[in-house]
Amino acid sequence: GENVEQHPSTLSVQEGDSAVIKCTYSDSASNYFPWYKQELGKRPQLIIDIRSNVGEKKDQRIAVTLNKTAKHFSLHITETQPEDSAVYFCAASRPNFGNEKLTFGTGTRLTIIP
Amino acid sequence: NAGVTQTPKFRVLKTGQSMTLLCAQDMNHEYMYWYRQDPGMGLRLIHYSVGEGTTAKGEVPDGYNVSRLKKQNFLLGLESAAPSQTSVYFCASSYVRSRLTYYEQYFGPGTRLTVT
Repeated sequence: GENVEQHPSTLSVQEGDSAVIKCTYSDSASNYFPWYKQELGKRPQLIIDIRSNVGEKKDQRIAVTLNKTAKHFSLHITETQPEDSAVYFCAASRPNFGNEKLTFGTGTRLTIIP
Repeated sequence: NAGVTQTPKFRVLKTGQSMTLLCAQDMNHEYMYWYRQDPGMGLRLIHYSVGEGTTAKGEVPDGYNVSRLKKQNFLLGLESAAPSQTSVYFCASSYVRSRLTYYEQYFGPGTRLTVT
């Protein structure tokens, strides 16, 4: 089955700097790669996703890049703000004839230092 | 539109007791999932359902059972609770966008379960 590895497990950056979180996946058939943000005590929420037919997607201060050859994808947050402090999870999914499911990475705890 | 809701929010069980967690969604989603979240281990899939009356095992199904008798509800049962099942449980639901099977999951608020 799919295996998703996520690094680093913790990350601290100064407010205003950029943060990068990286994930690798094992199943070359995976074609959907979402990122979820989970604030303390809250539920995970989708912040951005990317499909296998594109290499990059941006939404204001966040962007995701995908390298299908190397089987890795990354989350980039620019101009970080205190409200970006949270745990971020990457995930991957492959087509499976109506039995699709996500495999999550183990998470990155991002701390923004004021 | 309440989205995905979970009942109860907190529960403490003694070893060997049983309980059922209820997940409900009002978005007419076909797919529903149960995850457990433990420190440092991310979200691990317990069981999932791709439609009413169907269920399938996920990554960590042992010790749990599920039922999807109605499209909007997905129940997770613990028959004989063990301390190893102490965790935060999240339910999620999703829909399928066209034939490309791309989809996003909407999560419930979670249930914090402690087994002593």
